Amino acid sequence: KQEVTQIPAALSVPEGENLVLNCSFTDSAIYNLQWFRQDPGKGLTSLLLIQSSQREQTSGRLNASLDKSSGRSTLYIAASQPGDSATYLCAVSAYSSASKIIFGSGTRLSIRP
Amino acid sequence: DTEVTQTPKHLVMGMTNKKSLKCEQHMGHRAMYWYKQKAKKPPELMFVYSYEKLSINESVPSRFSPECPNSSLLNLHLHALQPEDSALYLCASSQGAGDNQPQHFGDGTRLSIL
Repeated sequence: KQEVTQIPAALSVPEGENLVLNCSFTDSAIYNLQWFRQDPGKGLTSLLLIQSSQREQTSGRLNASLDKSSGRSTLYIAASQPGDSATYLCAVSAYSSASKIIFGSGTRLSIRP
Repeated sequence: DTEVTQTPKHLVMGMTNKKSLKCEQHMGHRAMYWYKQKAKKPPELMFVYSYEKLSINESVPSRFSPECPNSSLLNLHLHALQPEDSALYLCASSQGAGDNQPQHFGDGTRLSIL
């Protein structure tokens, strides 16, 4: 059974810092990995999707990497801003059930002005 | 504003009531999903519809009944719910089920069972 873990559960950093969020998964036979952002009381916003054949994806100040063999992904946020404060969720889907997403518990990020 | 619209935003109901949650998208997506999210927990998949047919039911109790009347609309009918069913119910859509495209989420319906 696939398990997705995110460490740390919470992170607080001053504005302007570069930071890395971590995600690990137990079964390397994934179809894709996604990073989402969730603001309090809101739905999820997809940030980046990495297909199993890819190693990384970039969007603006965000860069996500994927190492399937080690069961790890990282989300790098450059030059953090207070508006980046949110919960970041990592999610994987498997080839056997590609439409089913399994989420990690998330990292609650707070950027201090 | 999200491209997936969920109504109502909040719902309070008694355990004997019948109510429905509604989800609508006009992006031409052919896969739609229902998730349940408890406070400070990640979303958990409940149902997946692909081309208006139910493709995944994650062993959800029968007091939750999904319906997909057309490719743009997804309903979740509720009946005889329990207090532990109080949660945020999220709807999502994607171009196709399992096609390496991201899911787009609505802002959810916050459900409270008295």
